[in-house]
Amino acid sequence: AQSVTQLGSHVSVSEGALVLLRCNYSSSVPPYLFWYVQYPNQGLQLLLKYTSAATLVKGINGFEAEFKKSETSFHLTKPSAHMSDAAEYFCAVSPAGAGGTSYGKLTFGQGTILTVHP
Amino acid sequence: DAGVIQSPRHEVTEMGQEVTLRCKPISGHDYLFWYRQTMMRGLELLIYFNNNVPIDDSGMPEDRFSAKMPNASFSTLKIQPSEPRDSAVYFCAISGGVREQYFGPGTRLTVT
Repeated sequence: AQSVTQLGSHVSVSEGALVLLRCNYSSSVPPYLFWYVQYPNQGLQLLLKYTSAATLVKGINGFEAEFKKSETSFHLTKPSAHMSDAAEYFCAVSPAGAGGTSYGKLTFGQGTILTVHP
Repeated sequence: DAGVIQSPRHEVTEMGQEVTLRCKPISGHDYLFWYRQTMMRGLELLIYFNNNVPIDDSGMPEDRFSAKMPNASFSTLKIQPSEPRDSAVYFCAISGGVREQYFGPGTRLTVT
């Protein structure tokens, strides 16, 4: 079984400041990990994904995330926040190599709402 | 949202009425997922299909909910009869390259 915990349901930063959104996962098998962003009244959009290649993953809009197996973490960062980054962010996990009814399923965290102040 | 069309985008109905939500994937895919999103419960997986066959419907809340996928380009989620607690945003998603999913814009359902 796998699960995702996003620490902090709300994060507020100033424009130009570092963005750090935390995600810890639990998985009995090596995981695939994802970050999604959801803007108001829209569907979820894939930001980046980790699929057991490089541990530092770069995504769209200047975001990146680092897979740390020892810490079971996959935190999302961006060096400088922009007003347009204000949205809700979701971390998700899928068990790599799983078959049966688990294949293809994503388990999502509860989401973190990012607010960016001018 | 590229790759998935959902209709209607907004639906307001009265309790007891039948509601049908539609999903049309634009491109080829192996998997199709239906999710429900509410403030209280977050994002919940309802059911998913592989090659048009339902694989896991354990997330379907009760028998009032049903889903079909008659072909690779069309799926429906039906609620009959609808209840106020069904009010939510319903998303359809399709599978991508390595387990990632691509979401449609969603249908906002309000049951009064």
